[in-house]
This record gives sequence, C-alpha cells and structure tokens, in this order.
Amino acid sequence: NAGVTQTPKFRILKIGQSMTLQCAQDMNHNYMYWYRQDPGMGLKLIYYSVGAGITDKGEVPNGYNVSRSTTEDFPLRLELAAPSQTSVYFCASSYGLGYSEQYFGPGTRLTVT
Amino acid sequence: DAKTTQPPSMDCAEGRAANLPCNHSTISGNEYVYWYRQIHSQGPQYIIHGLKNNETNEMASLIITEDRKSSTLILPHATLRDTAVYYCIVTNFGNEKLTFGTGTRLTIIP
Repeated sequence: NAGVTQTPKFRILKIGQSMTLQCAQDMNHNYMYWYRQDPGMGLKLIYYSVGAGITDKGEVPNGYNVSRSTTEDFPLRLELAAPSQTSVYFCASSYGLGYSEQYFGPGTRLTVT
Repeated sequence: DAKTTQPPSMDCAEGRAANLPCNHSTISGNEYVYWYRQIHSQGPQYIIHGLKNNETNEMASLIITEDRKSSTLILPHATLRDTAVYYCIVTNFGNEKLTFGTGTRLTIIP
C-alpha cells in the first residue's frame, strides 16, 4: 500500500493564481481531511469528508474548496491565491466511525508571492 | 474538545525513557487522549490513544491518571529517531476533527 499520497511536493504560486492540491489514499478509508500548518504552529483543519459526495468545513475553510467524487481522492482547490495561504498542506485519511487514528501524507509546501 | 497543555520542549538522553506530560484538566467522561508525533515537518504519525486505562503498544505506553486530568506518554528506550514534536489531543470518541496544539518538541541527546 502506498498509503496517503500528495502531489505536488512543492509549489510556488503568484498572487491571484489558482491550483489544485491532489490527495489520494489506497486504504479504502471512508474519511479524508485537509490540514494546513503554518511555521511553528500546530495543524489546522481546512475541510474534511466522511465519504464520497460528502464534505464539510473545518476550522479554516475560507479561500479553499474541496470535492470528493471517489473514496480514494480528495483534491483541495485554491482559488485566487493569497500570501496568507503560504503554508504546508497535509492530507490525511481514517476509517472513521470512531477510529480516530489518522494516516497522513507527506505534505505539500506552498508559497504564494 | 478539552484543551490540553504541554511543555514546549524537553530533552532526553539516548537510551533513557522519555516521559512526556500532558495536562487536560477539563476532560469529559467520553473524551479520549490521543498522541501523535511529527518528525521534521513530515506528516504527523499516530502513536497511541486511551480512555482511562493505561495502554501500551510497540511504540509507547500511555499512563492516564485516575482522575483523567493528566497523562504521560512514555517512550521506553528513546533513540535519535524519536526526536520530534509530540502532540497530545483530547477528543470525543467518534469525533474525527482533531485539534492540534503546538505540542512538545522532544530532542534526544546522543
């Protein structure tokens, strides 16, 4: 199993550009999550999904969009990138239904200039 | 979710037991204690969790006080690869939305 994979590993965006961060998992997990981590801080939840077609906002959803058309994939869309979105983005997945052990991907380091 | 308090940093000698404390004095009866760690900007890694009984797995032991207001994560024989930020998280069973604080930065000294 590859576990949770994320692409790209690094990206530099100009202000106002858009991009999609890709996340995939091959563990047949129901739940998937997107977090961001600013320097020296803990992770903050952006969006999560409890299954295909179902998504919900986390703590910091503004400026982001998600979709979940399959169990395996959970892309995160940034529209009109801003410097405040410079961060490391982590995708995670879990079985859900009370199993809170989350498996994390390696992260995407995004810089907006 | 209950708020947790952890020391910002700790050192431990290689080969010794590393004991990482966490205070969660406002924990409620149905909240679990979870521990994750993050090695050098990698994605966090699950370590262990518990409700009220002490727990042990291949990575660590979790000791929860009888009143459940604090807990200690124990790495029995710390190695250099255990250098990481350790997060203590308290959450309801079934609540998938974990709240990560700033954790404890553990440095293992050779």
